Amino acid sequence: GENVEQHPSTLSVQEGDSAVIKCTYSDSASNYFPWYKQELGKGPQLIIDIRSNVGEKKDQRIAVTLNKTAKHFSLHITETQPEDSAVYFCAASISNFGNEKLTFGTGTRLTIIP
Amino acid sequence: EAQVTQNPRYLITVTGKKLTVTCSQNMNHEYMSWYRQDPGLGLRQIYYSMNVEVTDKGDVPEGYKVSRKEKRNFPLILESPSPNQTSLYFCASRGEGGNTIYFGEGSWLTVV
Repeated sequence: GENVEQHPSTLSVQEGDSAVIKCTYSDSASNYFPWYKQELGKGPQLIIDIRSNVGEKKDQRIAVTLNKTAKHFSLHITETQPEDSAVYFCAASISNFGNEKLTFGTGTRLTIIP
Repeated sequence: EAQVTQNPRYLITVTGKKLTVTCSQNMNHEYMSWYRQDPGLGLRQIYYSMNVEVTDKGDVPEGYKVSRKEKRNFPLILESPSPNQTSLYFCASRGEGGNTIYFGEGSWLTVV
């Protein structure tokens, strides 16, 4: 089955700097890669996603890049703010609008230092 | 407001005492699933349901049961809980043809 590795497990950055979280996946058939943000005491919330037919996607300060050949994808957060502090999970799946069985990474705890 | 609601949010129970965690969504979603979250392991799928009366096992189904008698509800049943089922549980749903999976706020379960 699919295996997703996520690094780093913890990340601290100064407010205003950029943060990058990286994930690798094992199943070349995976074609859907969402990123979730989990704030304290809450469930994960989708912040951005990308499909395998696209190399990069951006939404304001957040961007995701995908390298299908190397089987890795990354989350980039620019101009970080205190509210970006949370746990971030990457995931991969074979999206066929059937069982969207997401395989999650182990999470990155991001701390923004004011 | 689009919501996935789980109850209870927090529960301490004893080994062997049957319990049910309820999940309800108000988005008329066909797809629902249960995950457990453990430190260092991320989220792992327990069971999922494609629609009413259609359920199947995820990656870690042992010790759990589910049912889907109504579209909006997807309860998770622990017939005989054991300490290794102490975890944070999330219910999730997605509409047909949609990408976004919506998660509930989680249920902390401790089995002593």
